[in-house]
Amino acid sequence: QQQVKQSPQSLIVQKGGISIINCAYENTAFDYFPWYQQFPGKGPALLIAIRPDVSEKKEGRFTISFNKSAKQFSLHIMDSQPGDSATYFCAAWDSNYQLIWGAGTKLIIKP
Amino acid sequence: KAGVTQTPRYLIKTRGQQVTLSCSPISGHRSVSWYQQTPGQGLQFLFEYFSETQRNKGNFPGRFSGRQFSNSRSEMNVSTLELGDSALYLCASSPRTSGGLHLTDTQYFGPGTRLTVL
Repeated sequence: QQQVKQSPQSLIVQKGGISIINCAYENTAFDYFPWYQQFPGKGPALLIAIRPDVSEKKEGRFTISFNKSAKQFSLHIMDSQPGDSATYFCAAWDSNYQLIWGAGTKLIIKP
Repeated sequence: KAGVTQTPRYLIKTRGQQVTLSCSPISGHRSVSWYQQTPGQGLQFLFEYFSETQRNKGNFPGRFSGRQFSNSRSEMNVSTLELGDSALYLCASSPRTSGGLHLTDTQYFGPGTRLTVL
């Protein structure tokens, strides 16, 4: 079964620093990888997504980079802010059109 | 537009009981998906409904079922509750207008229903 391995499980970053979260997948039927952000008491919300016809996508302080040969993709948060403190999930689609989620990374930005 | 709403927000049941959770999607959205979120297993796909038809189903036992009404509202039911069913149940809607959820569709999640089974 398709698996998405996400690391680290938790991450503490100083305000203004760079937060990096990594994901690796075994196999995916469809090349489209979304990242979701979840705050306590809320459901996940789409943050950014990438199609691997590009190796990098940037939206504001958030950047996804993708390495198709290594089957890895990562999220970089530049100039991390306390408001970025949340749990982040990567995901990939399997051949059954089901979204397979990483285990999540709890990010804490220290002021 | 109002977001996805889920009721109730919290629920406590005992083993062997059954439970029904409700989800109202964003107005105009016809695709509704359900997920189970637990600390150990993360988010796992339960099923997706589109225009009152179940389009996709995850790897959960038959005790988990759902349905969708003509107004796109959806319910999920869990019968014969087990301790391991304690979880946050999330509903997500998508604006796709035909054919069910597509890969690049954005799913809009509700806040979830926290189910505790004692």
